[in-house]
Amino acid sequence: DAKTTQPNSMESNEEEPVHLPCNHSTISGTDYIHWYRQLPSQGPEYVIHGLTSNVNNRMASLAIAEDRKSSTLILHRATLRDAAVYYCILPKDSGGGADGLTFGKGTHLIIQP
Amino acid sequence: DAGVTQSPTHLIKTRGQQVTLRCSPKSGHDTVSWYQQALGQGPQFIFQYYEEEERQRGNFPDRFSGHQFPNYSSELNVNALLLGDSALYLCASSLPTGRELFFGEGSRLTVL
Repeated sequence: DAKTTQPNSMESNEEEPVHLPCNHSTISGTDYIHWYRQLPSQGPEYVIHGLTSNVNNRMASLAIAEDRKSSTLILHRATLRDAAVYYCILPKDSGGGADGLTFGKGTHLIIQP
Repeated sequence: DAGVTQSPTHLIKTRGQQVTLRCSPKSGHDTVSWYQQALGQGPQFIFQYYEEEERQRGNFPDRFSGHQFPNYSSELNVNALLLGDSALYLCASSLPTGRELFFGEGSRLTVL
């Protein structure tokens, strides 16, 4: 998988937007950008993925830079339940769907009440 | 709709023993992947099963083996346990062309 760089930790206040950055300067043209999060004592949970265009779903938005060398996961209104480790991943694509993912250390998001 | 279920949730073994962990995928999913997560680290990919065969493998020794059954459930076997095998073992399921993985809550293995 292409290498990603994320801050070790970030802190935000409840009910405010959160912007989680990810740098992936070695991304190739066919690499998708995936985000997962892991709440305490749980398995990882899929959040969102995208290729070139910005993406929205019920959980979050993904903003992808025009050169695709970076992306930002946006939580529009953070709640205490969003406190988790967020992983930005660029999986290899062998054409067979969800290949084995390489998780880094992710960003530990702390939400203050 | 049941998600990914894993058993047992916790277990303790001693060095040299063997362990078998089990996983039932999300309904409709036929691809199962296994990950190992050491404390404070991100999950590491062990292998993936599809159509009862190992389709991909991460950088894990042969002591780690698996199996997938016709009903798509899967087992992870670890032989000759080492202290360093202590970790949370996660199972994830997906559709064969799906990009989204669904994870179970994991089996916590402690090796003494």
